[in-house]
Amino acid sequence: DGGITQSPKYLFRKEGQNVTLSCEQNLNHDAMYWYRQDPGQGLRLIYYSQIVNDFQKGDIAEGYSVSREKKESFPLTVTSAQKNPTAFYLCASSIQLNYGYTFGSGTRLTVV
Amino acid sequence: DQQVKQNSPSLSVQEGRISILNCDYTNSMFDYFLWYKKYPAEGPTFLISISSIKDKNEDGRFTVFLNKSAKHLSLHIVPSQPGDSAVYFCGNTGNQFYFGTGTSLTVIP
Repeated sequence: DGGITQSPKYLFRKEGQNVTLSCEQNLNHDAMYWYRQDPGQGLRLIYYSQIVNDFQKGDIAEGYSVSREKKESFPLTVTSAQKNPTAFYLCASSIQLNYGYTFGSGTRLTVV
Repeated sequence: DQQVKQNSPSLSVQEGRISILNCDYTNSMFDYFLWYKKYPAEGPTFLISISSIKDKNEDGRFTVFLNKSAKHLSLHIVPSQPGDSAVYFCGNTGNQFYFGTGTSLTVIP
């Protein structure tokens, strides 16, 4: 079955360390996205990619980096420059930009 | 396997009428549901939520109904306005986070 996989589900890191969250899809979707959710808030867009080797900043890109070397994969690195990294991170993909979304099940990152 | 399903990819409604968006889920342990709205080129925005201890939650023109026995929830928008035209996602949050694939609502002036 096709789908989108985020790993790990829970992640703990020490302050000051970079950490990379994985997102893989086998849906042959062109577009991929990273969102962040904090308690009491909706999803906020971090980065998105419409096509391999191209990505764009979303609303809250500072302190994050991404790569899109393969269509199937869109890893997100939370760098030490991110002031408040503890959050729930959600990856999504879509057939084309903003159409036909599939969401992953999320990674909960806790920085201590 | 889709744990949350939105079986209607699109819906068109006349301005002023009711829009009803539907969502089904498979896991009876799900206990908190959300609806998000998404405009093109923007991130999703939170719309309304409901806990499994309730069967209805209202916020202005938006009402969400939860039928636990049928594992079904619906979002009613009354009256519908052209600015409501967007993609609507239902989802469950808890330890994991499952979303449907969205329903594109078009409100015709």
